[in-house]
Amino acid sequence: AQTIHQWPVAEIKAVGSPLSLGCTIKGKSSPNLYWYWQATGGTLQQLFYSITVGQVESVVQLNLSASRPKDDQFILSTEKLLLSHSGFYLCAWSPQYAEQFFGPGTRLTVL
Amino acid sequence: GQQVKQSSPSLTVQEGGISILNCDYENDMFDYFAWYKKYPDNSPTLLISVRSNVDKREDGRLTVFLNKSGKHFSLHITASQPEDTAVYLCAAGASGTGNYKYVFGAGTRLKVIA
Repeated sequence: AQTIHQWPVAEIKAVGSPLSLGCTIKGKSSPNLYWYWQATGGTLQQLFYSITVGQVESVVQLNLSASRPKDDQFILSTEKLLLSHSGFYLCAWSPQYAEQFFGPGTRLTVL
Repeated sequence: GQQVKQSSPSLTVQEGGISILNCDYENDMFDYFAWYKKYPDNSPTLLISVRSNVDKREDGRLTVFLNKSGKHFSLHITASQPEDTAVYLCAAGASGTGNYKYVFGAGTRLKVIA
């Protein structure tokens, strides 16, 4: 069975500080991977997707970047956090273009 | 613009009744439609999905109906139970070449009362 793990579970960071969030999928080779963000009270928004190692496409520009260094790993990062980056970050995977399955998420608070 | 819209932010249903959740979309290119269940501070869980080549799919108490001409899809939950109380998100995607973009609705909060 496939499992998806995100780290950290929660993070409190200062404005202007760097950020790195991680996502790992086990039990599935060459999955499509996605990053989503939901502001408090907001709608879930797709940020990035990747269909293969080293290839990432941006969907929404939020001064964030993403990378896929390994087949099973997806990283979301920024060098300088903004207050508006606060929210719930979700990683998801899908077998091909199909149903998406979400990880447990990371709660980010920027102060 | 809002490509996927859930016009009802909340819905209250009596236990044992049918819950009907609705979603409207704008993009003719959408060919995949899904419903997710979400509890507060948790990630969404996929309930049921359809592709645009079918107009109905059943899975237990859940049925999704797709009306392509009306750009509308819905989730029907029969014999609603208090444990069905949650936020329900609809989602749509387009499988154009190299396009793996999904759009979610804002959610409908369903409350099933005894």
